[in-house]
Amino acid sequence: GQQLNQSPQSMFIQEGEDVSMNCTSSSIFNTWLWYKQEPGEGPVLLIALYKAGELTSNGRLTAQFGITRKDSFLNISASIPSDVGIYFCAGPGNEKLTFGTGTRLTIIP
Amino acid sequence: DAGVTQSPTHLIKTRGQQVTLRCSPISGHKSVSWYQQVLGQGPQFIFQYYEKEERGRGNFPDRFSARQFPNYSSELNVNALLLGDSALYLCASSLVTGLSYEQYFGPGTRLTVT
Repeated sequence: GQQLNQSPQSMFIQEGEDVSMNCTSSSIFNTWLWYKQEPGEGPVLLIALYKAGELTSNGRLTAQFGITRKDSFLNISASIPSDVGIYFCAGPGNEKLTFGTGTRLTIIP
Repeated sequence: DAGVTQSPTHLIKTRGQQVTLRCSPISGHKSVSWYQQVLGQGPQFIFQYYEKEERGRGNFPDRFSARQFPNYSSELNVNALLLGDSALYLCASSLVTGLSYEQYFGPGTRLTVT
């Protein structure tokens, strides 16, 4: 079945630093979604990408849909404490979303 | 506008028991999906319902069943609970089906099986 691998698995950064993470797939997706999940909560949709090569921003977040359609990237600029959480990529298909393995972001005071 | 709501928020059950989880989608959304999230992993797809019909099913045993009501709310039932069913159960709603993108999740129901 489809697998989405995210890297890095976890990140420890200082407030104000920029963050980059990526997601790779064993198969092609026509849409990429990025979610953030905080402890005890459901995932929150951050950005949706619909076209290969597309670059989309949402505030300090920027995501890109890879040209091969097998990968996507998420960048967070000037991180702040509320950015802490687990970031998941997800790809739709066959009536479901397939989620990546997640990247846990921790901000060091 | 209210988001996706789920009830109860927490639940403790014993092995062998049955459980029913409830979900109300965002107003105007006709598609509801259920996911299971085990600690440390991403959500795993269980079911999708659209217009009261099952449109997709994940790799879960027949102990898991669901239904959607005329008001588009949904219930997930799990019979003969196992310890391994302990997880966060997430409900998501979306405007369209066929293309299951832009799903919006509720806060989840935390199920603990002892």
